[in-house]
Amino acid sequence: DAKTTQPPSMDCAEGRAANLPCNHSTISGNEYVYWYRQIHSQGPQYIIHGLKNNETNEMASLIITEDRKSSTLILPHATLRDTAVYYCIVRPSGKYGNKLVFGAGTILRVKS
Amino acid sequence: EADIYQTPRYLVIGTGKKITLECSQTMGHDKMYWYQQDPGMELHLIHYSYGVNSTEKGDLSSESTVSRIRTEHFPLTLESARPSHTSQYLCASSPSGQANQETQYFGPGTRLLVL
Repeated sequence: DAKTTQPPSMDCAEGRAANLPCNHSTISGNEYVYWYRQIHSQGPQYIIHGLKNNETNEMASLIITEDRKSSTLILPHATLRDTAVYYCIVRPSGKYGNKLVFGAGTILRVKS
Repeated sequence: EADIYQTPRYLVIGTGKKITLECSQTMGHDKMYWYQQDPGMELHLIHYSYGVNSTEKGDLSSESTVSRIRTEHFPLTLESARPSHTSQYLCASSPSGQANQETQYFGPGTRLLVL
């Protein structure tokens, strides 16, 4: 399985963009990049996922580098409620692709 | 987004008691999952199901058992609770499709404290 590396913590000012990086240098061609977040030990919340192209939804944007070895989750206008642990997950192809393997994630603190 | 419910949200119970944690989803998802998360630690998959009458053990060994008699219901049972079972238990579900494109949606979790 491709492993991911994320910084343990980041701070962001309220109203500014939060850019959360993720390295997945061993990712292979059919493996998707997923982002979840967990607010104060609630159930993880799905944010966005992608394969090769950049993706955007109502919550965030996902920028994947051309070589797919890293990606960045962008929260365009962070609010205090975005303070959470953010998980970058690479999902393998094949029959084990249904499993989500959570790492330590990045603690994002949004400050006023 | 899936509607997925877990009860109870919090449970404090004595050692040796039998407990069942309930999980239900209303989206007709075929696949359901149980994760365990100790405070401040990572989530680990302990059970999953691909559909009715299908259950598999996850990556983390667990003394709990699960059943899947109805599509919408995936309860987890501990026959004899111990303090080592103290943890948060998270249920998730996903629709069927290409495995690594199936988005899993999580319930709010059950916090279990065994005294």
